[in-house]
Amino acid sequence: DTEVTQTPKHLVMGMTNKKSLKCEQHMGHRAMYWYKQKAKKPPELMFVYSYEKLSINESVPSRFSPECPNSSLLNLHLHALQPEDSALYLCASSLLWTGSSYEQYFGPGTRLTVT
Amino acid sequence: SQQGEEDPQALSIQEGENATMNCSYKTSINNLQWYRQNSGRGLVHLILIRSNEREKHSGRLRVTLDTSKKSSSLLITASRAADTASYFCATDLSGGSNYKLTFGKGTLLTVNP
Repeated sequence: DTEVTQTPKHLVMGMTNKKSLKCEQHMGHRAMYWYKQKAKKPPELMFVYSYEKLSINESVPSRFSPECPNSSLLNLHLHALQPEDSALYLCASSLLWTGSSYEQYFGPGTRLTVT
Repeated sequence: SQQGEEDPQALSIQEGENATMNCSYKTSINNLQWYRQNSGRGLVHLILIRSNEREKHSGRLRVTLDTSKKSSSLLITASRAADTASYFCATDLSGGSNYKLTFGKGTLLTVNP
């Protein structure tokens, strides 16, 4: 199974709401990623987890809170977002790097709209 | 700053023609990867080329890497309408932070039937 699943596919939330994005993979990958992608732009790395521990936080505002409850699941908790946070949020996974990168497997993304 | 920069930004061709996209980067890398993204969907990995490789093939795809010029090209031969997508190169920095891939701005390829 080489699939990364993400739920929900679409999410509309107000600026005072709290919501969560979920990501799941069963490929045994121990590196998992969150990316943010605005329209017509490349993906921008937000967070990286390796062995369920946060390895990289790309100076993401605290209104985004990642969580990796186990080796298959990755969550992104959202609170008090701004309209400019509206974007496609992509989850990905890969084998752990051993000095260089491996291919990343991406989920289909969650289209987030903040009103 | 962006590590990878693709050109052209947009490319429109007829079905059956070949499409060539280029990627330039600024610093030494371990690997360079190419991804495809259909509109509003997730990215799909196409090919990974290591810094000690010069050319790699996968089906109708041919990737070259010139580390002296810090550039790579992706050639899609005999294009099909289904190849319509955005194509991104992604690099990891030699000696840089582990796990971080930096994506270029992408080339939007349109294949007209």
